[in-house]
Amino acid sequence: KNQVEQSPQSLIILEGKNCTLQCNYTVSPFSNLRWYKQDTGRGPVSLTIMTFSENTKSNGRYTATLDADTKQSSLHITASQLSDSASYICVVSDDGNKLVFGAGTILRVKS
Amino acid sequence: SQTIHQWPATLVQPVGSPLSLECTVEGTSNPNLYWYRQAAGRGLQLLFYSVGIGQISSEVPQNLSASRPQDRQFILSSKKLLLSDSGFYLCAWSNNRSPLHFGNGTRLTVT
Repeated sequence: KNQVEQSPQSLIILEGKNCTLQCNYTVSPFSNLRWYKQDTGRGPVSLTIMTFSENTKSNGRYTATLDADTKQSSLHITASQLSDSASYICVVSDDGNKLVFGAGTILRVKS
Repeated sequence: SQTIHQWPATLVQPVGSPLSLECTVEGTSNPNLYWYRQAAGRGLQLLFYSVGIGQISSEVPQNLSASRPQDRQFILSSKKLLLSDSGFYLCAWSNNRSPLHFGNGTRLTVT
């Protein structure tokens, strides 16, 4: 069964600190992996999209990594800001363009 | 640039009443359109998707229906709402050159 598991379920960090969110998947065949940021009460917004051949992709203070062999991805946030407080969703697509969504990690950055 | 509009933002409806949520996309033609439902602590669940006018695919059997009367308009409906229809509904669009772009969602509460 195609699944996407994210950890931790929730996380609280101090402003300015770094954090890493994890995503493990069993989706096969694999096409791409995306990280979305979803502010409370809003729709998700795409942060990065990575294909099989990409190991790292950055978007400002967000850096995503992908290990297609172990089927793991991480999202690293550097020098966190209060505005980073949101839910971060990992989404994996198979080669038929079917998307499997993780349940998300809720991040809270406090001052 | 492309934009997606979804309304209303919040809605409270009694059990047994009808439902109509509307979503429109601007700045692109012939997009793929999607309706998702997001339950607390769970990943997004795909309800319907459409690859063209009048073409609707349903992912899960349910009390809801979808229609696409125009190229960039996607409507989610119900004839009689159930309590279990409460949730956060997200409309999204994509094409061959972009990841999913989500609307800001509709928080539906059925009382």
